[in-house]
Amino acid sequence: AQSVTQLGSHVSVSEGALVLLRCNYSSSVPPYLFWYVQYPNQGLQLLLKYTSAATLVKGINGFEAEFKKSETSFHLTKPSAHMSDAAEYFCAVTPIQGAQKLVFGQGTRLTINP
Amino acid sequence: GAVVSQHPSWVICKSGTSVKIECRSLDFQATTMFWYRQFPKQSLMLMATSNEGSKATYEQGVEKDKFLINHASLTLSTLTVTSAHPEDSSFYICSAVGTSGMISYNEQFFGPGTRLTVL
Repeated sequence: AQSVTQLGSHVSVSEGALVLLRCNYSSSVPPYLFWYVQYPNQGLQLLLKYTSAATLVKGINGFEAEFKKSETSFHLTKPSAHMSDAAEYFCAVTPIQGAQKLVFGQGTRLTINP
Repeated sequence: GAVVSQHPSWVICKSGTSVKIECRSLDFQATTMFWYRQFPKQSLMLMATSNEGSKATYEQGVEKDKFLINHASLTLSTLTVTSAHPEDSSFYICSAVGTSGMISYNEQFFGPGTRLTVL
């Protein structure tokens, strides 16, 4: 069974500051990991994904995430926050083999202060 | 590429009526589509997995007779909310996974969502 825990339902940072959104996963098999962003009243947009290649994954809009197996973590970071980054962020996990179901974390709302 | 559309984007209906939501993969063939429900300020809850040409697989607690899913072709899946009630009001999102040869890694491509309000 797999699960995802996002620490912090709400994160607030100042514009230009570092963004760190935390994601820890639990999986009995090698996982694929994803970060999605959701703007109000919209679907989900893929930010980046880990697919067992490089452990440091770069995504769109300047975001990146590092897969740390020893810590079962896949935290999302961005060096300098922009006002347009304000949104809901979801971490998700799926097994490499077998079912394609995504298991989502509860989401983290990112607020950017001017 | 890999665009998924939903129609309608929002719908308001009276209690007791049925509402059909369409999910289309515009530029790829999708053997599998997923239907999610999202309540305000909450995460996505998987309702069912839809495979082309076969019956949908519903998650535990989801009423299959209330939420009818039909995956008639490799580019279209529909969700029909039957005898809708106010508690069915929610944001419904679909996603699609491409056939072999497409981007793999179990990546799902999401539609923009449909906001359903039942009066």
